[in-house]
Amino acid sequence: NAGVTQTPKFQVLKTGQSMTLQCAQDMNHEYMSWYRQDPGMGLRLIHYSVGAGITDQGEVPNGYNVSRSTTEDFPLRLLSAAPSQTSVYFCASSSTLPGLAVQETQYFGPGTRLLVL
Amino acid sequence: AQKITQTQPGMFVQEKEAVTLDCTYDTSDPSYGLFWYKQPSSGEMIFLIYQGSYDQQNATEGRYSLNFQKARKSANLVISASQLGDSAMYFCAMREVYGTSYGKLTFGQGTILTVHP
Repeated sequence: NAGVTQTPKFQVLKTGQSMTLQCAQDMNHEYMSWYRQDPGMGLRLIHYSVGAGITDQGEVPNGYNVSRSTTEDFPLRLLSAAPSQTSVYFCASSSTLPGLAVQETQYFGPGTRLLVL
Repeated sequence: AQKITQTQPGMFVQEKEAVTLDCTYDTSDPSYGLFWYKQPSSGEMIFLIYQGSYDQQNATEGRYSLNFQKARKSANLVISASQLGDSAMYFCAMREVYGTSYGKLTFGQGTILTVHP
């Protein structure tokens, strides 16, 4: 198993450009999520999905879109990049729906470092 | 109010000694889970240990143990016999069953641990 994979590893954008951060997992996990990590703020939840076709907003969803057409993939779209979106983005997944098994840990991808100029 | 507080921005420890990383949390949810993650300089998030709110005993995983004091709402990570490879950022996180976002992990600000030879 490759686990959770993310592409690209690093990206530089200009303000106003759009892009898609890719996330895939090969563990047949139902739950997937996107976090952003900023200095001094830990990780904050952007969007999450409890299965194919079902997504919802997290703590900081503005400026981001997601979709979940398959169990494996959960791309994150930046519609019009802003300097405030400069961050490290992590995708995570877990096998059971968290409400049923609060102890189920989430497995994180390696992260995508995004710089918006 | 912060849900997860890590009051130690940085900690130093001598190799082979034990170190405690502090974490306090705030929740009114009767069912929740507490997690510790390690983030080395390479950037990935590595799951270390889990403690459930109803667990009677403190969790242990090899050299890691979690000092869970429910009444004080603290979940400190203890690393015994520190190794140079333990130098990293450490995050405390909580998942609430009835939280604002389904399955959301709420992270603290992190503690940078440096192990000296």
